[in-house]
Amino acid sequence: EIVLTQSPGTLSLSPGKRATLSCRASQSVNGNYLAWYQQKPGQAPRLLIDGASTRATGIPDRVSGSGSGTDFTLTINSLEPEDFAVYFCQQYGSSPWTFGQGTTVEIK
Amino acid sequence: QVQLVESGGGLVKPGGSLRLSCEVSGFTFSDYYMSWIRQAPGKGLEWLSYISYTSTYTDYAESVKGRFTISRDNAKSSVYLQLSNLRADDTAVYYCARGSVYISGLFDFWGQGTLVTVSS
Repeated sequence: EIVLTQSPGTLSLSPGKRATLSCRASQSVNGNYLAWYQQKPGQAPRLLIDGASTRATGIPDRVSGSGSGTDFTLTINSLEPEDFAVYFCQQYGSSPWTFGQGTTVEIK
Repeated sequence: QVQLVESGGGLVKPGGSLRLSCEVSGFTFSDYYMSWIRQAPGKGLEWLSYISYTSTYTDYAESVKGRFTISRDNAKSSVYLQLSNLRADDTAVYYCARGSVYISGLFDFWGQGTLVTVSS
């Protein structure tokens, strides 16, 4: 099973700043099949990025994903109020599909 | 628009059983793999099970294998999860999610979840 480790656990930033979130896999992710989801309190997760770097439908271009192999990054430029949430990475290249433990982006 | 609505959660005693349902609309249900994923209170996400288009293929996480059973009814646009021999650590919000048409392990739409609480 691939273990995904996200860092930091919590990121405290002001609106307008850049958020950089990390996701490290215990072994190489097949096909770079790495997704990022956003979750707000009381809501279901929402797909942001798939294939490590492809934005899902309706996701603004201030959100971007990068990386390959075992190291992946989610970057959110110029944080908007609606960006403060929890973010999870997920690998879907190998069964069982696994998630990271999440990074909380909170308002500083 | 795409909608997934879970139901069937509730309070159950350890060792008990529960059947969760997820009814979908807004897309051709039989064209998609479906999965169940859970989130324990204050914790991360855990994929539990998937089922293929016509139920030919299923798979389970080791943590629930032998206790949970996934099924679907394409005529009713619904997917189900039968939970048995429940334990306290099964307490979680249970989500159903649609697998992307390109690859089944990518979840492009999720329901709002249903809470299962296992307690005596």
